[in-house]
Amino acid sequence: GAVVSQHPSWVICKSGTSVKIECRSLDFQATTMFWYRQFPKQSLMLMATSNEGSKATYEQGVEKDKFLINHASLTLSTLTVTSAHPEDSSFYICSARDLGQGFSPLHFGNGTRLTVT
Amino acid sequence: DQQVKQNSPSLSVQEGRISILNCDYTNSMFDYFLWYKKYPAEGPTFLISISSIKDKNEDGRFTVFLNKSAKHLSLHIVPSQPGDSAVYFCAASALKGAQKLVFGQGTRLTINP
Repeated sequence: GAVVSQHPSWVICKSGTSVKIECRSLDFQATTMFWYRQFPKQSLMLMATSNEGSKATYEQGVEKDKFLINHASLTLSTLTVTSAHPEDSSFYICSARDLGQGFSPLHFGNGTRLTVT
Repeated sequence: DQQVKQNSPSLSVQEGRISILNCDYTNSMFDYFLWYKKYPAEGPTFLISISSIKDKNEDGRFTVFLNKSAKHLSLHIVPSQPGDSAVYFCAASALKGAQKLVFGQGTRLTINP
């Protein structure tokens, strides 16, 4: 089945630094990847839609200058949390859909636990 | 505005019995619905889906029912097994457009031996 790999699985950083999270589709191509965030005991909230070769589309209330998204190839999207603050601590999950499968379910990475101290 | 709602935060079921998880939605543009299973510190795993042209879809122990008029869907797991203990998320999407998923709040299912 389709596999999405996310790296790192967890990261601790100091306030004010930037953190990059990678999302790769391992055995399929994806022109679109989605970035979600989950706070403890809450739902997965869509942050942005990452489009290969073009700008990402951000959901309302998500700062595009803080959460930089780059989708340089059909198998890689990156999310950079810039100038991280403790309130950015969360579980970030990426997802992708197999282009060759028409409308198929989203496949998710295993997530990245970000802790900002 | 919560477009997808799972009103039961938790559910406890005896092993071997049926687990029924419920989900309601408000957006009439949604026409594709999915259930995901999630363990702590992991990404969601796809379980089963249904499009709005159907009212039932079955896959092994898992069956999803869709009631479009009530904007309600449910996931039935039978028989329930201890390994089914996890958080279950209902998600909805419109087949046209961005096809992004909107998730419910999740229901924590515990299967008791």
